[in-house]
Amino acid sequence: QVQLVQSGSDSKKPGASVKISCKTSGYTFTSYRLIWVRQAPGQGLEWMGWINPKTGDSTYAQGFSGRFVFSVDTSLGTTYLQINSLRAEDTALYYCARVHVVAATYWFDPWGQGTLVAVS
Amino acid sequence: SYVLTQPPAMSVAPGKTANIPCGADNIGTKIVNWYQQKPGQAPLMVIYYDNDRPSGIPERFSGSNSGGTAALTISRVEAGDEADYYCQVWDSSDGHVVFGGGTKLTVL
Repeated sequence: QVQLVQSGSDSKKPGASVKISCKTSGYTFTSYRLIWVRQAPGQGLEWMGWINPKTGDSTYAQGFSGRFVFSVDTSLGTTYLQINSLRAEDTALYYCARVHVVAATYWFDPWGQGTLVAVS
Repeated sequence: SYVLTQPPAMSVAPGKTANIPCGADNIGTKIVNWYQQKPGQAPLMVIYYDNDRPSGIPERFSGSNSGGTAALTISRVEAGDEADYYCQVWDSSDGHVVFGGGTKLTVL
């Protein structure tokens, strides 16, 4: 079955960088975009953007350009989220999910289990 | 930017029906998807394309999108349905994915 497995929790100092992985299996990696979603403590879901594994092209939501970088390794079926110059407000759960596209609308299934990044 | 409005919290007795609304301008022109998130777990899609259920989601879950409001309906609510529920659309005018703020459903 389709699975997305994310790397484990991480704790960093302000100003450092972190790279989270999301390893996929059970489908052709290059056939689906992958999204990243942030969930701050006690808050809702926030779309960060997505990456097309076939082309490597990324789209970033407002507020997530510059310090946030998506990448893929097609040989490993894995997508990555790197956050540079970490700030305390980056403390959150980060999720990846597979993107489905039908008639110019998008939904997300399945999701990775989430990766907690703590910055302090 | 497009905003999806959900009530922060709702409560329902077991066996009753929960209707979780998702409001926005002209939401009837958009396709709405719904996600369930239980404490400590990742989101799970429960409704896509307004009213389609992924395999494995009980028939008790249904969606609607008409009359200016979209809604997730959970019939014969069970204790295991207690979770946060998020609506989501694609805003083609902005090229952005939009999530509602989420509704915490409590089963009394």
